[in-house]
Order: sequence, then structure tokens, then C-alpha cells
Amino acid sequence: DTGVSQNPRHKITKRGQNVTFRCDPISEHNRLYWYRQTLGQGPEFLTYFQNEAQLEKSRLLSDRFSAERPKGSFSTLEIQRTEQGDSAMYLCASSLRGGQDTQYFGPGTRLTVL
Amino acid sequence: DAKTTQPNSMESNEEEPVHLPCNHSTISGTDYIHWYRQLPSQGPEYVIHGLTSNVNNRMASLAIAEDRKSSTLILHRATLRDAAVYYCILRDANAGNNRKLIWGLGTSLAVNP
Repeated sequence: DTGVSQNPRHKITKRGQNVTFRCDPISEHNRLYWYRQTLGQGPEFLTYFQNEAQLEKSRLLSDRFSAERPKGSFSTLEIQRTEQGDSAMYLCASSLRGGQDTQYFGPGTRLTVL
Repeated sequence: DAKTTQPNSMESNEEEPVHLPCNHSTISGTDYIHWYRQLPSQGPEYVIHGLTSNVNNRMASLAIAEDRKSSTLILHRATLRDAAVYYCILRDANAGNNRKLIWGLGTSLAVNP
């Protein structure tokens, strides 16, 4: 069990550019979550997948944001036309359906939009 | 999900016990109490959870009030590596497809050497 991995760990981009982040969950976990965290705040939910199905999306996820989990394994989060307000830590978590659904988090991708 | 209230910050000395409180006066009968913590520059990590009875694991203990309107996370011997933000979160066992965690600001724990 290598845990949840996220790439890249850091991303600096200019306003207006598109960025894509990848999350690799724990291998047997069928649920995958994306959260966003700004400095001094707790994480905010963005979206959640069960296998390849996207079951819930936050209103925070504007039309510039899209997430996919095409084969029910890894997931990507894309932000189009980035804005300075998108600067944050993007966290991915995975869990195994059943029980208390404990979520295991990756180290996050820190996005800085200049 | 019901709301939780935690102190913004607490301080402890190394090797002393730490009691981190959480109030959840609007908890429902099917809400589990979960604790996560986030070390500096890392993603959150699960600590412990419980429903009614006190719980122990290798990381911590969770003491739940009889009326379930409050709980306390207990670190028996704080180490410098326990310096983190601790989050108390309620999760409804009957949430169905509503699986997200709703996070507050948590308690920032400082541990003095």
C-alpha cells in the first residue's frame, strides 16, 4: 500500500493558462474525492467519484473546473483559464466503500496562479 | 451535516497529555464523530472515530459525552510530531451518496519542547 499520490506537488502558472492535476488513489479504493484548501482554512469539498461515476459536485466547482476518473482508477482535475483566486492546495482522498468510509489523503498539489 | 465547534488553538508541553474538545450540540442519533489531523504542509490524516462508546487506538483516545453533545480527543503523551491542526467532523451513517467531509477551522495544537 503506497498511499494516495498526487502529481505534480507544486504548480506555478500564469493567469489564463490551463492546468491539470493527477491523483492516484489507494489501489483497492473505489471512492475518490477532491478538496481545495486555502491558507488558514479547512478543506472544502469539490467533487466525489464512486468508481468512474461522478456522484456529487460542489457549487464551488465552476464550469472552468472539470474532473474525470475514466477507468475508476486514477483521476484528473483540470482548471481552465486559471484565475488568481484558484491559488490553493488541491487535495485528493480515497476510501473503500463500506464501514465508516475513512478517507485517506494525498500530499496535495499546491497551485500558484500569477 | 451537523456543525462542530472547536477552540482555535491550544498549547501543550511535550510528553504531557492533551485534551482537545469539540462541541456538537446538534448531533443526530446517526452521526459518527470523526477526528482528522493535518500536519504542516501535509494532507489530512485520519485519527479516530466513534459513535457512543469511548474508543482507543494507537494514535489517540476519543471520549464521548453521555449525551453525545461533546467529545474530547486525548493524546496521552504529546510529542513534537503531534503539532498539527485537529479537525472534529460529524458524519451521518445514513448519508447514502453524500460522502463528503465538511471541515471547520479545527484546533491548531502547538507542542512545546
